[in-house]
Amino acid sequence: NAGVMQNPRHLVRRRGQEARLRCSPMKGHSHVYWYRQLPEEGLKFMVYLQKENIIDESGMPKERFSAEFPKEGPSILRIQQVVRGDSAAYFCASSEYNEQFFGPGTRLTVL
Amino acid sequence: DQQVKQNSPSLSVQEGRISILNCDYTNSMFDYFLWYKKYPAEGPTFLISISSIKDKNEDGRFTVFLNKSAKHLSLHIVPSQPGDSAVYFCAASAAQGAQKLVFGQGTRLTINP
Repeated sequence: NAGVMQNPRHLVRRRGQEARLRCSPMKGHSHVYWYRQLPEEGLKFMVYLQKENIIDESGMPKERFSAEFPKEGPSILRIQQVVRGDSAAYFCASSEYNEQFFGPGTRLTVL
Repeated sequence: DQQVKQNSPSLSVQEGRISILNCDYTNSMFDYFLWYKKYPAEGPTFLISISSIKDKNEDGRFTVFLNKSAKHLSLHIVPSQPGDSAVYFCAASAAQGAQKLVFGQGTRLTINP
């Protein structure tokens, strides 16, 4: 019973490039969440999605960031024109009801 | 605006003793609380949760206490083991069910042999 899967685990981008982070939820889970953790800080909510729907994007920066959870395939967090401040660990979580189960994260480094 | 606060960045406890991690919150709409444990380079792992209708929930060595009037919760680990050394995050949501979580900054727990 595979847990939440994220890839890539590490991603290096130069300023101005695009970053695409993927998340496959646990089997049977229909809710996906993305969180970001900056160094020495807690996790900050970004977006909550169900299949083909964004339910809550109150934590997403207004520009350059987007997320989707298509009918088929993983959820994608997309960051366009990355800047150094985007360097962080990005965690995906999935749930069926209460408890959210987290993936191992993608560590994005922007040079 | 830090709605969930863990005021102790670190805690050191002797193996076999009790570890007590604390968490305070400010938003009275929070209704459901969780504790996660995190090792370096891994995602958070769910430990235990509590609904606001309860004041205590126990699971093996882990017990969570909730004091709604004080807007305070704590995680007790007894007895503490070396494998418990990790960063512990408190999290809260406005209701049970599928909801975004608001996390504290974390407390790094070190268990000394």
